[in-house]
Amino acid sequence: GNSVTQMEGPVTLSEEAFLTINCTYTATGYPSLFWYVQYPGEGLQLLLKATKADDKGSNKGFEATYRKETTSFHLEKGSVQVSDSAVYFCGETSYDKVIFGPGTSLSVIP
Amino acid sequence: GAGVSQTPSNKVTEKGKYVELRCDPISGHTALYWYRQSLGQGPEFLIYFQGTGAADDSGLPNDRFFAVRPEGSVSTLKIQRTERGDSAVYLCASSLDSSSTDTQYFGPGTRLTVL
Repeated sequence: GNSVTQMEGPVTLSEEAFLTINCTYTATGYPSLFWYVQYPGEGLQLLLKATKADDKGSNKGFEATYRKETTSFHLEKGSVQVSDSAVYFCGETSYDKVIFGPGTSLSVIP
Repeated sequence: GAGVSQTPSNKVTEKGKYVELRCDPISGHTALYWYRQSLGQGPEFLIYFQGTGAADDSGLPNDRFFAVRPEGSVSTLKIQRTERGDSAVYLCASSLDSSSTDTQYFGPGTRLTVL
């Protein structure tokens, strides 16, 4: 079946550092791609999404570009803040359900 | 407006007991999903409803798990003869319809602990 692979964490960065979290997917065709975030003690929230090749999703300074040629959807942010500390999940959906990656824990230290 | 709500937030039960977990989706959303999230893992799909019918139940692990959505709104996930391995956070999500481009909005989850 389809699967999503993410870089393993935990990731620890200093405030204002550049963030990249790699994500690759296996679905054929044209799945929609998502990044969800789970802040400590809170539920899953959609961070951004892209629904077709070459689309760029963006929100709260985070960006990810749908790259069909490399089946990737890497998450980036130019300058992270302490408040970005959370677990980030990459996901794909081609029919109905979202298939999630295992999550990447990010800790940002002052 | 109100988001997806789930009750109870925590449930502790003993091995072999029956439990019901409830999900109240966002008003007007026709699609409803159940996922299970084990510690340190991403959510795993269990079942999805379009309206009142289960459109895809391929993620249910075995016949001890069952879910209903009789009026096309609230859904209940039912687990019979619970086992310790069923311990996890059970997440519910809803979306406007079942298009793959639609965003799924998640509830806070029910943490189930089977002793």
